[in-house]
Formats: sequence, C-alpha cells, structure tokens
Amino acid sequence: QQQVKQSPQSLIVQKGGISIINCAYENTAFDYFPWYQQFPGKGPALLIAIRPDVSEKKEGRFTISFNKSAKQFSLHIMDSQPGDSATYFCAANTNAGKSTFGDGTTLTVKP
Amino acid sequence: NAGVTQTPKFQVLKTGQSMTLQCAQDMNHEYMSWYRQDPGMGLRLIHYSVGAGITDQGEVPNGYNVSRSTTEDFPLRLLSAAPSQTSVYFCASSPPPYNEQFFGPGTRLTVL
Repeated sequence: QQQVKQSPQSLIVQKGGISIINCAYENTAFDYFPWYQQFPGKGPALLIAIRPDVSEKKEGRFTISFNKSAKQFSLHIMDSQPGDSATYFCAANTNAGKSTFGDGTTLTVKP
Repeated sequence: NAGVTQTPKFQVLKTGQSMTLQCAQDMNHEYMSWYRQDPGMGLRLIHYSVGAGITDQGEVPNGYNVSRSTTEDFPLRLLSAAPSQTSVYFCASSPPPYNEQFFGPGTRLTVL
C-alpha cells in the first residue's frame, strides 16, 4: 500500500519554465509535508516544507501548494534553471517520528 | 558540525555475510532513521528510533536489525546478506516535532 503517490516520474522543462510535481496522500494522520532535493551521489536535502493548516508556502523560486480536502500537495519551481536538475521527493510525516516518501521525480531543465 | 556521517561509503559482500553500517549524528536530534533507496522506488523506511533505547520497524525491516544505545549512534546490522539487499542506504536524523530529516551521504552496498 503506497501511502504517498508522486507524479510525474520524470519531467523535462526548458530553462525559465515552471516545473510542477504533484503528490497525493491517504493517511489523515500525516501532519507535515516536506520536499527534498537529491543530486546524483548525494543524500536528499530538505528544500521546503508545509503544515496542513497553511494552503501555500513560498521560498524564493519554490512554492508548495496544499489542498487538505483533496489530500494533495504540489511543488512549483518558477523560472527553472539547469542547476535545479535533480530528483525531488515529497514526503509526509507523522509526529511519531516516521516519514513516508513518494517515489521521486527526476527533473531535467534544458538550457 | 559534521552533521550525519555514515561509514563505509562503499561495501561489497558475499551472500550470507553479515556486516554493520555505521551512522552517527552530532546535532543532538532525538529521531534517527534508516532508509534504502532503489531505482524507481524512492526511499523506503527500514527502521527508525525516537530516542535512545527505542526503536521500531518501518516498511521493509526484514533482514535488518538496529539498536540505539546513545543519542548519537544508530547502527544498522545486516544479519545474513542477500542479493536483494543490494541498494544505497541512507541514515537520517531529525528533531521533533516536525521530523525534518537530515540525511547522511549514503552507503552503496553490493551483495554478490
């Protein structure tokens, strides 16, 4: 049973375009929703996160949109750059110390 | 701060061998977790700990043991390695309540 479904699996965007990655969850016990960025050969690194009492959070070019009723959240990368090319993971956390990750999206930004 | 450190970086085992993957953190985080990453399957939780002396199973615990005697260390033991355990293993630490994970650099394990 996959508790966090992430799409698309891969994404190709032109430089300057908008990258959008979507995630959906089922467990209403999840109470925190982070996104991680991973470059090849490295561990994932926290990018941005949101609590379910907020509908949107923006940090620079990165924005999370959250729809609690639909149990969906998404990452928007504005003005995408080649340096943004990486694998992105959404996650859903409980306050009991567990994180559940999506399967990841490989983003390629073409110059 | 070194953050989360993992040793070794690479390891090759033969089927049936045992070994311990080491993980240490210097951020005084209460929570620690072990994940394995396989192509197309994201990060799957093996075991996690919410404090010294407390561990619990994650999504894929079979074939692995953990213990947490100190806040800093969280070793992962492979009891009898199998080719299906070929993967990249990541250790992470996180502070409550939001559990934002800080990952180590990973250990690439190959079981022949």
